[in-house]
Amino acid sequence: AQKVTQAQTEISVVEKEDVTLDCVYETRDTTYYLFWYKQPPSGELVFLIRRNSFDEQNEISGRYSWNFQKSTSSFNFTITASQVVDSAVYFCALRTTGRRALTFGSGTRLQVQP
Amino acid sequence: NAGVTQTPKFQVLKTGQSMTLQCAQDMNHEYMSWYRQDPGMGLRLIHYSVGAGITDQGEVPNGYNVSRSTTEDFPLRLLSAAPSQTSVYFCASSWDRESSGANVLTFGAGSRLTVL
Repeated sequence: AQKVTQAQTEISVVEKEDVTLDCVYETRDTTYYLFWYKQPPSGELVFLIRRNSFDEQNEISGRYSWNFQKSTSSFNFTITASQVVDSAVYFCALRTTGRRALTFGSGTRLQVQP
Repeated sequence: NAGVTQTPKFQVLKTGQSMTLQCAQDMNHEYMSWYRQDPGMGLRLIHYSVGAGITDQGEVPNGYNVSRSTTEDFPLRLLSAAPSQTSVYFCASSWDRESSGANVLTFGAGSRLTVL
């Protein structure tokens, strides 16, 4: 069975603080892909990153960074110097070879206060 | 380039009514899918299609029907609406016909459905 757990239901920070969103996944497959999507208040789902199971290199994109650790089955997302525009629900998702469905976590709502 | 277009954005139904949520994409994607989003549960796959004339069930298919007569369109039909189908529905597509898992889904803006 596959599962994605985002234990943090809601996080509130003040602008310019750093914040890390946790994602823990479960799968027996050795080949899989992990994703992060952002859902701003307007409701659409915006793709942020994809990582495959063979690439544990961390990635940085501007203020965003992702830490993938197979040893702990985690794919955490850090926003540095958060901004009000980062306020959204963030979803972590898992997809394995042969499965049609993305398995989503329940999401983490991030509120960045000015 | 419009991407994935869903209509309507909002709909209120009475129990037992039927309706169709429309989804169209202009990216020539072969793979299309419908998800529903419920509070605290993330998104769950309802039905998907890997090409015109080919559809299959996802995790939560009961009460929904789909067809794929063209590459561009993938409508979702609610045959007899129930309050449990109150949700936000997302259509998503990708060009990946094979099930490698690698390709990124492009989502529509969502359709909020309320069943009274």
